[in-house]
Amino acid sequence: GEDVEQSLFLSVREGDSSVINCTYTDSSSTYLYWYKQEPGAGLQLLTYIFSNMDMKQDQRLTVLLNKKDKHLSLRIADTQTGDSAIYFCAETPNDYKLSFGAGTTVTVRA
Amino acid sequence: DVKVTQSSRYLVKRTGEKVFLECVQDMDHENMFWYRQDPGLGLRLIYFSYDVKMKEKGDIPEGYSVSREKKERFSLILESASTNQTSMYLCASSVGQFNEQFFGPGTRLTVL
Repeated sequence: GEDVEQSLFLSVREGDSSVINCTYTDSSSTYLYWYKQEPGAGLQLLTYIFSNMDMKQDQRLTVLLNKKDKHLSLRIADTQTGDSAIYFCAETPNDYKLSFGAGTTVTVRA
Repeated sequence: DVKVTQSSRYLVKRTGEKVFLECVQDMDHENMFWYRQDPGLGLRLIYFSYDVKMKEKGDIPEGYSVSREKKERFSLILESASTNQTSMYLCASSVGQFNEQFFGPGTRLTVL
């Protein structure tokens, strides 16, 4: 999706923190999402944040939202090999549709 | 658990063939979607449907059509397959305005 931008690749050492960044364009998006796609599988919702929030924490995941800059980030603490996947950021331009970024491929190395 | 199933995981077709990709969801969701996924481009919406017999074009509908005769089933049709339609096709469903979409495992289509 040209309206949602994210870097394509991230390599991280096992046990370190991963930070995946995303910029979006639609300031009216009610929710912003992070989806995870493991090899050979469809996408699965990882976490989301409501647009009136700045931060959301869920176990090892922390989502930060800067509405002024239209910037969203996902931090994964203590990254594990099972976190190797493609991570998609998505915004909601209307009630039905999601607009996805190109996806960030995260590779966890030992 | 919501389950979205797709008729095939892998499909190989020849240029010019008519191709049907089927998707079924078991959670009575109103909304269903077809995406294609290509490296570096992410997911691009082809068509979606918010009710039986209703359909809306997405961002890249050219060369595709859809059918939704029953609430649980959403079909993607390639009228005359071309090599540039080689891709991974993902189906999803959702309900309401929260917009959490549940995805099927995908169909990897190769057009020779």
